[in-house]
Amino acid sequence: DADVTQTPRNRITKTGKRIMLECSQTKGHDRMYWYRQDPGLGLRLIYYSFDVKDINKGEISDGYSVSRQAQAKFSLSLESAIPNQTALYFCATSDPGQGFSGELFFGEGSRLTVL
Amino acid sequence: AQSVTQLGSHVSVSEGALVLLRCNYSSSVPPYLFWYVQYPNQGLQLLLKYTSAATLVKGINGFEAEFKKSETSFHLTKPSAHMSDAAEYFCAVSGSGGKLIFGQGTELSVKP
Repeated sequence: DADVTQTPRNRITKTGKRIMLECSQTKGHDRMYWYRQDPGLGLRLIYYSFDVKDINKGEISDGYSVSRQAQAKFSLSLESAIPNQTALYFCATSDPGQGFSGELFFGEGSRLTVL
Repeated sequence: AQSVTQLGSHVSVSEGALVLLRCNYSSSVPPYLFWYVQYPNQGLQLLLKYTSAATLVKGINGFEAEFKKSETSFHLTKPSAHMSDAAEYFCAVSGSGGKLIFGQGTELSVKP
């Protein structure tokens, strides 16, 4: 089983619908992240969490919200999806013991299409 | 603030040829730098990272990168490309609070 699991892997929805992307991890890491990947733009940070009680906005948080239900679970919600939120979304974790040199461990991605 | 620029969104090489993927960074503090690879329909995985221990960093699958402070560069190289190297490659720099800031990505194609 993957260390970082994202569900669903693929989702097609309509404008205005509420969508939740879920992420769970078995690595025991405190830090979790949600990134969005768009062609030509690389990965951009949406939200991140350094522990259950700590939630921070990234560079493109507008239109998104998150919930850190437990150390192992971090969900991303689109309250009212719009077409320009069509993208590939990645969840990632890191070990705070590594400090700034710690690598990120990524899930396999959730491809979201908003019609 | 930290930022990363990858020169060239697409690079094509022949099998057996040198691979050179370019990355320049901007950082107000000594940087930690990373290269990640993304194979089709997969997440990103770490190729190598620079954490100030040595300027020439060796990674997996025969890749290496050299940190050049004077040029603010961290280019990725591999002496001989293999078909299995075809993927998208991302350079990243560690930002404030331990976040990673990614470049735009470079898609590597390998021709037989």
